[in-house]
Amino acid sequence: EPEVTQTPSHQVTQMGQEVILRCVPISNHLYFYWYRQILGQKVEFLVSFYNNEISEKSEIFDDQFSVERPDGSNFTLKIRSTKLEDSAMYFCASTVWRELGNTIYFGEGSWLTVV
Amino acid sequence: SQQGEEDPQALSIQEGENATMNCSYKTSINNLQWYRQNSGRGLVHLILIRSNEREKHSGRLRVTLDTSKKSSSLLITASRAADTASYFCATALIQGAQKLVFGQGTRLTINP
Repeated sequence: EPEVTQTPSHQVTQMGQEVILRCVPISNHLYFYWYRQILGQKVEFLVSFYNNEISEKSEIFDDQFSVERPDGSNFTLKIRSTKLEDSAMYFCASTVWRELGNTIYFGEGSWLTVV
Repeated sequence: SQQGEEDPQALSIQEGENATMNCSYKTSINNLQWYRQNSGRGLVHLILIRSNEREKHSGRLRVTLDTSKKSSSLLITASRAADTASYFCATALIQGAQKLVFGQGTRLTINP
């Protein structure tokens, strides 16, 4: 079964450093997401992305975050200046089409630890 | 605000027994999706049920949806040790792009 793949699986970074999390969505999917899960808490929506632009973003997705699809296959989340509270599991997800009722597939996640 | 809330928060049963987890939400939805998460791992999609559906089956899984009560249940029959995981319901609103709102999850432990 096709998979959403994410790299790295785990990254430790110093506070204030920039981090880029990478994702390869399922090949025929057109709609992409980033979610995050702070340890012991709910999975939270960060941003959705379609047709090379952000469709929707949450309050969490402030100016320190950015997303892009640089080469037509990878989908990246950049955190410009990491804070301790950015420590979380970050999930990339994708779906075939933006219409409602389509299964959203998640990757294995990238665990980010900010020290 | 729309919210999926699972009940119970934790469930521990013997292998072979059935496990039932419930999810409640607050606003009208287009669909509801159930996911499994093994500790520290990714979210594995289990079942999607649309607002005009009442029940769906997939192997040992049975999901029901009652839109009048704004609730859903996930039943795992003949549980196995490998079913030990956290289970989340996630709801998608009627309007707008398909953004999922997750509940807190139910931690299921199957004892051998």
